[in-house]
Amino acid sequence: GQQVMQIPQYQHVQEGEDFTTYCNSSTTLSNIQWYKQRPGGHPVFLIQLVKSGEVKKQKRLTFQFGEAKKNSSLHITATQTTDVGTYFCALGSGNTGKLIFGQGTTLQVKP
Amino acid sequence: DAGVIQSPRHEVTEMGQEVTLRCKPISGHDYLFWYRQTMMRGLELLIYFNNNVPIDDSGMPEDRFSAKMPNASFSTLKIQPSEPRDSAVYFCASSLSGTGAKEAFFGQGTRLTVV
Repeated sequence: GQQVMQIPQYQHVQEGEDFTTYCNSSTTLSNIQWYKQRPGGHPVFLIQLVKSGEVKKQKRLTFQFGEAKKNSSLHITATQTTDVGTYFCALGSGNTGKLIFGQGTTLQVKP
Repeated sequence: DAGVIQSPRHEVTEMGQEVTLRCKPISGHDYLFWYRQTMMRGLELLIYFNNNVPIDDSGMPEDRFSAKMPNASFSTLKIQPSEPRDSAVYFCASSLSGTGAKEAFFGQGTRLTVV
């Protein structure tokens, strides 16, 4: 079945540094979603990417979908302590509705 | 809308006992997902429903696990008998089909501890 590899598993940064997490799939994706889970919380939807080469921004967060629609990245500029949490990519199937999550990248930010 | 509602929030049970987790999806949503989260295995999809019908249960670990969705506003995940390795946080999520972002809305989760 569909599999996704998300790297790195953990990232510790100093406040103000940038952060990037990558998601790679073995198959072409119809769409990809990104979620954030705060410690002790539940995953919360951030964004969905659908088009090849798509780039979307939310304040300090930049999301990219690869040209071949097999990979995606989330980049945070100038991290803040409020960015702490685990970031997941999720593979969506346009036909079946199935939603598979990557392993997640846990971000720690030192003030 | 109150969002996806799960109960109980915490459950501690003894090995061998039956455990039932409950979920009320967002009204109008036609997809319902059950996920299990552990440190070792991350967020695993156990089963999902579309219009109350189970579509894919390939993630259900074994026959001790079963899930039902008797109507559009209620689903249960049952473990019988429970084992210590079932200890995890179980999330229910719902989403809406159609055009546009098909974001999944998660409940607060049920933290299950089997001793």
